[in-house]
Amino acid sequence: DADVTQTPRNRITKTGKRIMLECSQTKGHDRMYWYRQDPGLGLRLIYYSFDVKDINKGEISDGYSVSRQAQAKFSLSLESAIPNQTALYFCATSDSGAPAGYGYTFGSGTRLTVV
Amino acid sequence: SQQGEEDPQALSIQEGENATMNCSYKTSINNLQWYRQNSGRGLVHLILIRSNEREKHSGRLRVTLDTSKKSSSLLITASRAADTASYFCATNGGGSEKLVFGKGTKLTVNP
Repeated sequence: DADVTQTPRNRITKTGKRIMLECSQTKGHDRMYWYRQDPGLGLRLIYYSFDVKDINKGEISDGYSVSRQAQAKFSLSLESAIPNQTALYFCATSDSGAPAGYGYTFGSGTRLTVV
Repeated sequence: SQQGEEDPQALSIQEGENATMNCSYKTSINNLQWYRQNSGRGLVHLILIRSNEREKHSGRLRVTLDTSKKSSSLLITASRAADTASYFCATNGGGSEKLVFGKGTKLTVNP
């Protein structure tokens, strides 16, 4: 099983619908992140959480919300999907106690299309 | 906004050649990391270099960091077709513990 699992892998939804993307991890990491990737724009941070009771906005949080249900689970919601939220979404984790030299662990991504 | 900017945006080489990618950033950093992404897949961490380090090696990878120029380079030696991927630099610093990613360099290694 993958260390960081994202579901669904692909999703097509209609404008105005609410959709939830889920992320679970078996790494035991305390920190979790949601990024979106658009062609030519790299990865941009949507929300991040340094522990279960900590939620922070990233650079592009408008139109999104998150929930950290447990240390291992971090879900991203689009309250009312719009076409420009069509993108590849990644969940990532990191360990605040890791020695220097360790980076983030990424999930395989969710490809979301809003029509 | 992106902290790191990779250069070039795309690079095409022959198998066996070396590939060099550059990254420039704007603010002070704690560390700089390089990631690889195969098409449509998640990013994989390759190597991390701390702000007080100048060079680091891992297998066929060599990373340099010049904090005075706010730049880093990733060298892949003796490239293989399997190295075809996009490569991203990411920085951590400026008082933040989050990683900020650049837009990536798309490397194609032709057999």
